[in-house]
Amino acid sequence: AQSVTQLDSHVSVSEGTPVLLRCNYSSSYSPSLFWYVQHPNKGLQLLLKYTSAATLVKGINGFEAEFKKSETSFHLTKPSAHMSDAAEYFCVVSVNAGNNRKLIWGLGTSLAVNP
Amino acid sequence: ETGVTQTPRHLVMGMTNKKSLKCEQHLGHNAMYWYKQSAKKPLELMFVYSLEERVENNSVPSRFSPECPNSSHLFLHLHTLQPEDSALYLCASSQGTGQGYEQYFGPGTRLTVT
Repeated sequence: AQSVTQLDSHVSVSEGTPVLLRCNYSSSYSPSLFWYVQHPNKGLQLLLKYTSAATLVKGINGFEAEFKKSETSFHLTKPSAHMSDAAEYFCVVSVNAGNNRKLIWGLGTSLAVNP
Repeated sequence: ETGVTQTPRHLVMGMTNKKSLKCEQHLGHNAMYWYKQSAKKPLELMFVYSLEERVENNSVPSRFSPECPNSSHLFLHLHTLQPEDSALYLCASSQGTGQGYEQYFGPGTRLTVT
């Protein structure tokens, strides 16, 4: 069965320090993977996506993620956190299910950035 | 207007009311979606439209009725809702419905059912 697990429901970092948001997936097929961000009272915004090209994917706002098939992981990182990065982050797996596509959403990780 | 817009942004309605949520996408996409976002739960896909045809309905109660008059507009008609239907309702669009297509989201409508 396909699934997505975001390993931390809350992450707190200091401004200027690295960010690591962890995501593991389970899929019988070669998946596409996405990270979305949701700022308070706003819709979801795509940060980056992996679709079987380069395993290290660069996104907006300095974020990047590495697809590791052997570890079934797609962790999101940023070298230096900014106050504006405080938001909810969602890891998403897209898998083909017969003739349809199915998106499986993680429960989200709330990122707090302290001054 | 750019991207995906939703109106209203906030809605309070009684259980006997009838209201509609509106979504409009300005991206030239041909697929549109309704999602329900509740606290502590994964995002729930409600409906999918591709080329104005409903292609997915995920066991949503009949008190929610979608309408897609053209590829740019999507409505969600609401009637006799329950308090547990209070949530953030998100609209999204994508170029296609294949595996690699990312979805673009609107800001959502925060619905409170009293």
